Amino acid sequence: KAGVTQTPRYLIKTRGQQVTLSCSPISGHRSVSWYQQTPGQGLQFLFEYFSETQRNKGNFPGRFSGRQFSNSRSEMNVSTLELGDSALYLCASSHGSVGATDTQYFGPGTRLTVL
Amino acid sequence: AQTVTQSQPEMSVQEAETVTLSCTYDTSESNYYLFWYKQPPSRQMILVIRQEAYKQQNATENRFSVNFQKAAKSFSLKISDSQLGDTAMYFCARHTGANSKLTFGKGITLSVRP
Repeated sequence: KAGVTQTPRYLIKTRGQQVTLSCSPISGHRSVSWYQQTPGQGLQFLFEYFSETQRNKGNFPGRFSGRQFSNSRSEMNVSTLELGDSALYLCASSHGSVGATDTQYFGPGTRLTVL
Repeated sequence: AQTVTQSQPEMSVQEAETVTLSCTYDTSESNYYLFWYKQPPSRQMILVIRQEAYKQQNATENRFSVNFQKAAKSFSLKISDSQLGDTAMYFCARHTGANSKLTFGKGITLSVRP
């Protein structure tokens, strides 16, 4: 079974621009979660989508948004980029069952650099 | 705040020896799951092992095993017969049954010396 894929792997943007990251989950997985990883803050949860609906949300400003399509693929958008948005963005997929063991499997990440 | 704490920022071990990585967590949930993930220099986050809180038996995956002490809220990872490929950052994470959010510790950098 193919793993979680993320595109692009690397991005360089300038302040004020916007960016869209894409994540394709493992076949059969309906939940996609996004995490931001930085040296200072570590791994922080952004949001989770399940069946095209945002089910959970972390503590990030509204500039960070996402969506999920009917095939479970997900996109994350960051508008009006700031220098502090430079990070590794990780996507994870799972079956999405609530109240049961639900292991998240991660993609290789997208490295975003904001200049 | 319900946190996950990894107090050791880095450790080093000789190849073929055993090393234990520590993790403590805080939760008010009764139904939760604990994980260790490995992140090598490639930055790919790889699942190492998982433990369901309701199971008393410690999880084992080949050379990796955990010591789960529920009352003490402790979840340590033991790596036996360490290999050079085990060199990576290791993250402890908690997941509750109520939602799909993983809460991670700060991670520990493990170096395996030849």
